Amino acid sequence: GAGVSQSPRYKVAKRGQDVALRCDPISGHVSLFWYQQALGQGPEFLTYFQNEAQLDKSGLPSDRFFAERPEGSVSTLKIQRTQQEDSAVYLCASSLVRGEQYFGPGTRLTVT
Amino acid sequence: GQQVMQIPQYQHVQEGEDFTTYCNSSTTLSNIQWYKQRPGGHPVFLIQLVKSGEVKKQKRLTFQFGEAKKNSSLHITATQTTDVGTYFCAGLETSGSRLTFGEGTQLTVNP
Repeated sequence: GAGVSQSPRYKVAKRGQDVALRCDPISGHVSLFWYQQALGQGPEFLTYFQNEAQLDKSGLPSDRFFAERPEGSVSTLKIQRTQQEDSAVYLCASSLVRGEQYFGPGTRLTVT
Repeated sequence: GQQVMQIPQYQHVQEGEDFTTYCNSSTTLSNIQWYKQRPGGHPVFLIQLVKSGEVKKQKRLTFQFGEAKKNSSLHITATQTTDVGTYFCAGLETSGSRLTFGEGTQLTVNP
């Protein structure tokens, strides 16, 4: 595809459930980023991959959050035992180098 | 850690008026990027500034990067209703690839 895609677009989870969010970056993009965006706020960095290596995970809010990119392409962000405060839009972005980032449409997660 | 502050949080203008948003980083940046997010949409890249004192123009939009590479501004001349959205600055740290976003300025334009 031409852009970054994410699935699902919307996810409703009951508190305590595990969720998995998928990101398909632009083909050939080495760098992949995950962000969390709360309503009315700017995107907040979660983690960064260069190919399959997770180079920075300092933004992950707790050990319930886990991300992987095993083959250097598709990435999955997993949240275990979801809590209400995890409700947000999760954005994925990819880029070639330390430059402009191309964002996907996001996954809106609602934890009830 | 690095912080990026952006003001104002909201700006309401009449169509045809000018608009400016300001961005300030707590640390010196490698570069600064600007993104626009329409309501219900995702951030879309507008521009990247790399050099100290750099000024770039895109039609009615003028972007500046401060001499100390810690602040930036976006100015829109003669706003149009299509300019509606939230404008974010995002600073790239000098080491690593982490982008820190400001809280954004939400622009509304009354026709």
